[in-house]
Amino acid sequence: DAKTTQPPSMDCAEGRAANLPCNHSTISGNEYVYWYRQIHSQGPQYIIHGLKNNETNEMASLIITEDRKSSTLILPHATLRDTAVYYCIALGSNYKLTFGKGTLLTVNP
Amino acid sequence: EPEVTQTPSHQVTQMGQEVILRCVPISNHLYFYWYRQILGQKVEFLVSFYNNEISEKSEIFDDQFSVERPDGSNFTLKIRSTKLEDSAMYFCASGQGAGQPQHFGDGTRLSIL
Repeated sequence: DAKTTQPPSMDCAEGRAANLPCNHSTISGNEYVYWYRQIHSQGPQYIIHGLKNNETNEMASLIITEDRKSSTLILPHATLRDTAVYYCIALGSNYKLTFGKGTLLTVNP
Repeated sequence: EPEVTQTPSHQVTQMGQEVILRCVPISNHLYFYWYRQILGQKVEFLVSFYNNEISEKSEIFDDQFSVERPDGSNFTLKIRSTKLEDSAMYFCASGQGAGQPQHFGDGTRLSIL
């Protein structure tokens, strides 16, 4: 599976958009970009995934660059409950999620 | 919304004892997984299970570990002879298909004394 690189931490003001970047420059053509988050010690929560096209669901938007070497997760209106560790994962054909250290997003009032 | 449920939420066991962690995956899901997270460390893949057999396992998943789907609804992880280093949060996950999103339970905290 391709390695992903994320900043260790970010801050965001409540109500503003949170833009979380991820680099995956060695991603292969059949690897999906998945985003999960983990709030405190709860189980990881699926957010969104994509291959080439930008995706949007009720939780977030995923923007993938044309060369697929990086992506951005966008939480359009961050709330205090969005404070969590966010993981960007390149999922290959073995379908096992390889979690890194992720980005600790802190949403401030 | 359907969810993965895990029991117990916290298990305390003496070293050397057997422990069984239980999971009820989402009902129409066909792929099942166990992950673990040692306190302060990353979430690590242990094993994937499909069609009543192990699809893939990590180096952590040695002969002390086994998985089973005994009755078509539960999915269990057994550790035969627990060690202190088995203390961790154990997460069960399930997915509809091989490349479909995996949905996680809230975990069982296993404490080995």
